Amino acid sequence: DIQMTQSPSTLSASVGDRVTITCRASQSISSWLAWYQQKPGKAPKLLIHKASSLESGVPSRFSGSGSGTEFTLTISSLQPDDFATYYCQQYNSYWTFGQGTKVEIK
Amino acid sequence: EVQLLESGGGLVQPGGSLRLSCAASGFTFSSYAMTWVRQAPGKGLEWVSLISDSGSSAYYADSVKGRFTISRDNSKNTLYLQMNSLRGEDTARYYCAKDGGYTYGHEVFDYWGQGTLVTVSS
Repeated sequence: DIQMTQSPSTLSASVGDRVTITCRASQSISSWLAWYQQKPGKAPKLLIHKASSLESGVPSRFSGSGSGTEFTLTISSLQPDDFATYYCQQYNSYWTFGQGTKVEIK
Repeated sequence: EVQLLESGGGLVQPGGSLRLSCAASGFTFSSYAMTWVRQAPGKGLEWVSLISDSGSSAYYADSVKGRFTISRDNSKNTLYLQMNSLRGEDTARYYCAKDGGYTYGHEVFDYWGQGTLVTVSS
């Protein structure tokens, strides 16, 4: 089974900050990596698929990069609406989520 | 507009059964794989099961294999999850989600329902 490890688990940041979340896979997953955003009481929302492809309607301040086993989600300038929990997910072999990274207000 | 509406959750005793449903609209249901993902209270996301567009292939997480069965009725635009031999650790909100259809064999979940809560307790 492929394990996904995100870091950090919690991130404190201010509006306007550049934020980076890392996701590591236990084995190579090529570029089969997605990022989701989840707000309290809401369903997850797909932000990025295939490591770097932005979903339609997702603001361009979100970007993804990486391949193989190491991936990053970057928010170039954090906005009030971005405080949420972010999950990576591999879909190379079955489907596995990372444990999540909570982005909170500093 | 894509809509996914789950139902069927509730309180059930350990060892009991429940069947969840997910009514889909706003897209050609029979053209997309569908999945169930769950989230225990205060915890992260856990993939549970996925079924192909035709229903001919199904996949399960080890934690539910042999106890849960995914199915779909393309004539009714509805996805199901039959859950048997329920345990306390199955307590979670269960979301259905749709495959984005980007790459066959590599499903990613682009639309999600709001979920239905399953509580397993005596």
